[in-house]
Amino acid sequence: GAVVSQHPSWVICKSGTSVKIECRSLDFQATTMFWYRQFPKQSLMLMATSNEGSKATYEQGVEKDKFLINHASLTLSTLTVTSAHPEDSSFYICSAEERGLYEQYFGPGTRLTVT
Amino acid sequence: SQQGEEDPQALSIQEGENATMNCSYKTSINNLQWYRQNSGRGLVHLILIRSNEREKHSGRLRVTLDTSKKSSSLLITASRAADTASYFCLQGAQKLVFGQGTRLTINP
Repeated sequence: GAVVSQHPSWVICKSGTSVKIECRSLDFQATTMFWYRQFPKQSLMLMATSNEGSKATYEQGVEKDKFLINHASLTLSTLTVTSAHPEDSSFYICSAEERGLYEQYFGPGTRLTVT
Repeated sequence: SQQGEEDPQALSIQEGENATMNCSYKTSINNLQWYRQNSGRGLVHLILIRSNEREKHSGRLRVTLDTSKKSSSLLITASRAADTASYFCLQGAQKLVFGQGTRLTINP
């Protein structure tokens, strides 16, 4: 089956630093990738949609200059949290959609803790 | 908000019993998907039902979709302790929207 990986699985960083999270589709080409954020005991909230080779589409309330998304290839999308603050601490999950199919394949998530 | 609602928010049952979770949504959809999430982990895809389907089965899972009521249900039969997790529905439309989730606890 389709597999999506995320790296790192967890990261601790100091306030003010930037963190990059990678999302890779391992055995299929993902024309579209999605980034979600999940706070404890809450549902996933879509942050942005990225299409390969074009700019990401951000959801309302998500700062595009703070959460930089790059979808440089059909198998890789990156989310960079810039100038991280403790309130950015969360579980970040990506998903990938194979061309022409509706099913979402989710990565295992990255737990970010900003101290 | 376009976020749908799931009920119940929490469900605790005995092993062997059936568990039913419901998901309501607000906009037209292309499909609806159900996912399971164990605590602090990623999501596992369970089943996808398309807007022109009314019922779908997969093992101990049964999903129904009522587009007139904009609702779906997930039934887990003969529950097991390993089914303990949070269950989310994902509305597949122009915008992907997750439901709030149901925290299911199966007591041995």
